[in-house]
Amino acid sequence: AQSVTQPDIHITVSEGASLELRCNYSYGATPYLFWYVQSPGQGLQLLLKYFSGDTLVQGIKGFEAEFKRSQSSFNLRKPSVHWSDAAEYFCAVKGGSQGNLIFGKGTKLSVKP
Amino acid sequence: DGGITQSPKYLFRKEGQNVTLSCEQNLNHDAMYWYRQDPGQGLRLIYYSQIVNDFQKGDIAEGYSVSREKKESFPLTVTSAQKNPTAFYLCASSIRPGGVYNEQFFGPGTRLTVL
Repeated sequence: AQSVTQPDIHITVSEGASLELRCNYSYGATPYLFWYVQSPGQGLQLLLKYFSGDTLVQGIKGFEAEFKRSQSSFNLRKPSVHWSDAAEYFCAVKGGSQGNLIFGKGTKLSVKP
Repeated sequence: DGGITQSPKYLFRKEGQNVTLSCEQNLNHDAMYWYRQDPGQGLRLIYYSQIVNDFQKGDIAEGYSVSREKKESFPLTVTSAQKNPTAFYLCASSIRPGGVYNEQFFGPGTRLTVL
């Protein structure tokens, strides 16, 4: 069965530091992968997505993610974190023919001044 | 301005009551979804609908019911059979299910609290 693992429940980084959030997936075929961000008490906003082609994907708010098939990973990165990036981040993979998304349990990002 | 609206933002329910959460979209999307979010649990799929007058159970459908009488509306009823309904509920839609079109757009959510 398809699944998504986000190994880090909570990460704290200093403002201006680089960021990498980990995501590992389990899927038999070429996966469709997504990263979403959620501010407290809000809905989810799509940051970026990977369907095929270039394995380095650019998203909104300066985020990027790299698809590595050999490692079954789709890690999210940002070179310099801003205080407004503090939120919860969810990785998701398309699961099966019904088009449903399977979400990881999320990583909460805190930003130190 | 296209998007997904959910109402109410906050909802309080007494034990034994049914409550209905509203979800409306004006994106002309075929597919709509309901998720439940609990702290540390991520999002769990309750029900989804790929087309009007059709819907399927997700992973945690027990104690919930839905209808899809109109393309733009997908209300969720939390029944008294749902033993632990306190949670944050998110509605989403996508252009159509499957393929490259399953990028989902989310509403702002409804927080349900059982008193």
